[in-house]
Amino acid sequence: TQLLEQSPQFLSIQEGENLTVYCNSSSVFSSLQWYRQEPGEGPVLLVTVVTGGEVKKLKRLTFQFGDARKDSSLHITAAQPGDTGLYLCATTPFGNEKLTFGTGTRLTIIP
Amino acid sequence: DTAVSQTPKYLVTQMGNDKSIKCEQNLGHDTMYWYKQDSKKFLKIMFSYNNKELIINETVPNRFSPKSPDKAHLNLHINSLELGDSAVYFCASSQVGRTGFGYTFGSGTRLTVV
Repeated sequence: TQLLEQSPQFLSIQEGENLTVYCNSSSVFSSLQWYRQEPGEGPVLLVTVVTGGEVKKLKRLTFQFGDARKDSSLHITAAQPGDTGLYLCATTPFGNEKLTFGTGTRLTIIP
Repeated sequence: DTAVSQTPKYLVTQMGNDKSIKCEQNLGHDTMYWYKQDSKKFLKIMFSYNNKELIINETVPNRFSPKSPDKAHLNLHINSLELGDSAVYFCASSQVGRTGFGYTFGSGTRLTVV
């Protein structure tokens, strides 16, 4: 059992569609991060959410931290081929800077 | 101006060999890490160094030995390579206490053991 379970594991949609991916846990976290990893590259930080219920927007990407700080979602509006990649949520559950990653969602946007 | 650079990008070697991967960061961060990403894309921490001191050592075989000559460098030496060591290894850095700024990752070293 992983600390952070992401769903779906794989998602393939047409350009222009909307989508939501999820990051769930049974534990409460002080903060949660989302990263995107493109093929042949390392993960790149997209956002950090800290407050329960917090919503952050990054252009067409909307991130929400659950009220209970146990889960998070990432919504993409009008997906574009450039959004293709592996989306990872991550947290430091033990307060010791040990960043622990979720299981990941591999997103493919079809032109 | 690469923030976290690791070499080599690709490494193909035979079972039983010893190999090293090097990592350097120019961000002034005080903590560096090694992560392993398996074939299912799951990223798992291996080691963490803060100012040259080992602070996290996950259950990694002792064939893996990290070395940090200074806080800008963290190398990974692997002895007696096994087929199961094939993976992508990522170096990362962060500044302790600045969690919101996240980790900065290198572009990875794809290790293939044949």
